[in-house]
Amino acid sequence: QVQLVESGGGMVQPGGSLRLSCVASGFIFSNYDMHWIRQVPGKGLEWVSALWNDGGNENYADSVKGRFTISRDNSKNTLYLQMNSLRAEDTAIYYCAKDSHGSADHWGQGTLVTVSS
Amino acid sequence: DVVMTQSPLSLPVTLGQPASISCRSSQSLVHSDGNTYLNWFQQRPGQSPRRLIYKVSNRDSGVPDRFSGSGSGTDFTLKISGVEAEDVGVYFCMQGTHWPPWTFGQGTKVEIK
Repeated sequence: QVQLVESGGGMVQPGGSLRLSCVASGFIFSNYDMHWIRQVPGKGLEWVSALWNDGGNENYADSVKGRFTISRDNSKNTLYLQMNSLRAEDTAIYYCAKDSHGSADHWGQGTLVTVSS
Repeated sequence: DVVMTQSPLSLPVTLGQPASISCRSSQSLVHSDGNTYLNWFQQRPGQSPRRLIYKVSNRDSGVPDRFSGSGSGTDFTLKISGVEAEDVGVYFCMQGTHWPPWTFGQGTKVEIK
């Protein structure tokens, strides 16, 4: 079955950096666009970034543009999110998600990022 | 960006009774390809979101048939024909027609009376 396992979250000071990873299994990773979506605990959902299956096109929310970079390694079935210049408002649970029929049909368990001094 | 507005935000329901959640978008969700990319997600307490419905009315695999989606244009509805205890959680609508970005509703919390 489809599994998405995120890692790399943690606590970081404002202005710091983190790199999130999402290891995929149970499907042909290189065939699917992938997304990062975040959620402040107990709050709503915010789409963050997306990357085409071949890495040929990437998109970002305005709130993270210029600070976050999405990438993937199809040989390792892994999606990444490099997060630089982190701010307090980036504190959230970050989920990776697989794209199907124009939305997220499978989500990982999430990894918590806390930006605080 | 397309704004998604859900109502109600809190929905107490008696077990076995029906429930209905409304989702309205700030512009039509009909895509130029003819599809309407309106989706519904369930998030049980302590869990990740799970997609229930895609493209307005298509149930994902394993989703009980008591869940149904309907609507068109800017007005959409998720119905639960008879609420069960396992249905407690927060339900989100999401549009994928006018992306980037995907945008989500605020969420509707379903609880048992």
